[in-house]
Amino acid sequence: AQSVTQLDSHVSVSEGTPVLLRCNYSSSYSPSLFWYVQHPNKGLQLLLKYTSAATLVKGINGFEAEFKKSETSFHLTKPSAHMSDAAEYFCVVSDRSGNNRKLIWGLGTSLAVNP
Amino acid sequence: DTGVSQDPRHKITKRGQNVTFRCDPISEHNRLYWYRQTLGQGPEFLTYFQNEAQLEKSRLLSDRFSAERPKGSFSTLEIQRTEQGDSAMYLCASSSTGEVEKLFFGSGTQLSVL
Repeated sequence: AQSVTQLDSHVSVSEGTPVLLRCNYSSSYSPSLFWYVQHPNKGLQLLLKYTSAATLVKGINGFEAEFKKSETSFHLTKPSAHMSDAAEYFCVVSDRSGNNRKLIWGLGTSLAVNP
Repeated sequence: DTGVSQDPRHKITKRGQNVTFRCDPISEHNRLYWYRQTLGQGPEFLTYFQNEAQLEKSRLLSDRFSAERPKGSFSTLEIQRTEQGDSAMYLCASSSTGEVEKLFFGSGTQLSVL
């Protein structure tokens, strides 16, 4: 069975400083991995996805994530935080067991950006 | 707006009442998903459709829950005899066959059962 663990429930950074949101996964297969963002009162939005191509994946809004198989990690980073980045972030792994694909969601990391 | 839309945005009901939510997916998407999300948790999968066929239902979906997608376009999620534990955000998402894992989410329906 596949699972995903987001190592921090809350992260607080100052505007202009780097962002690191950590995610570890467990998978019996070559996984597909995703990061979604949820702003208050808005729908979940896909930030980026990894599907066995380049291990460094670039997403929207300046975010990127690196797939590290040896560490079973898929951490999300951004060089410089902006106030508008304050949101809930979810790491997601694709469950390929059986005939249907289903997304397995982490519990989320709440990112606060301080002025 | 060509995104996923959900109606209503908020629903307050008394315990024991029936409620129905609607989801209109992106028109060219043939997959439609329902998720439930409670505060401090990630979305939990409930069920999904490919066109009008309901292909999978989670064990979370008790007999009081039913979902339909009669013409392969919009979908409804009905909860009968609501309980306080049903209070949550109900999220709908859609995806295309060619990129099934890229979900587009609606803003959700917030259900409060009093």
